[in-house]
Amino acid sequence: ETGVTQSPTHLIKTRGQQVTLRCSSQSGHNTVSWYQQALGQGPQFIFQYYREEENGRGNFPPRFSGLQFPNYSSELNVNALELDDSALYLCASSSSGRNLYGYTFGSGTRLTVV
Amino acid sequence: GNSVTQMEGPVTLSEEAFLTINCTYTATGYPSLFWYVQYPGEGLQLLLKATKADDKGSNKGFEATYRKETTSFHLEKGSVQVSDSAVYFCALSVSGGSNYKLTFGKGTLLTVNP
Repeated sequence: ETGVTQSPTHLIKTRGQQVTLRCSSQSGHNTVSWYQQALGQGPQFIFQYYREEENGRGNFPPRFSGLQFPNYSSELNVNALELDDSALYLCASSSSGRNLYGYTFGSGTRLTVV
Repeated sequence: GNSVTQMEGPVTLSEEAFLTINCTYTATGYPSLFWYVQYPGEGLQLLLKATKADDKGSNKGFEATYRKETTSFHLEKGSVQVSDSAVYFCALSVSGGSNYKLTFGKGTLLTVNP
């Protein structure tokens, strides 16, 4: 059974650019959530996708968007990058839209905006 | 709104010392409570959970009891090991319409010295 895989592991972008982060969910999981973890802070919920539709969203602007594909993998897109977007982005998958107990987290993508 | 407050770190202990990491919460509704651990360079791992008042979650020698009267979920371990060095996050989710997301505290860095 494979876990959650995120790519790339590290990324450097320039302010104003766009970035796409990718997540392969654990086998058998149909729900993916994305979290932003700024340095020294706890993770903040961005949004969740369940069966290819957005299932809930945190307090993030529309330039943060996502997709979930038929194989349940997911992308997080951020447009017009700002310096404050520098953070560790975590993906978590589970087997049910509202089952928090079975969440598996990936190791994250470290995004640096310069 | 929902929030989690953890004791500020870092916490430095000697091997075999007793560990307590305090966590208190505010929630609109009836929360489930979690402790997650993040080892260096890795994603979050669920350490333990409790879903109702007076429940005790336990795993790998760690324990935490859901105290509704004090809105607390303090993490304890009787004898820490060097391998317990990590960042510990307290988190909650609220049952009902928005229980798809976790609200995290800022995390507490624990360092255990031999």
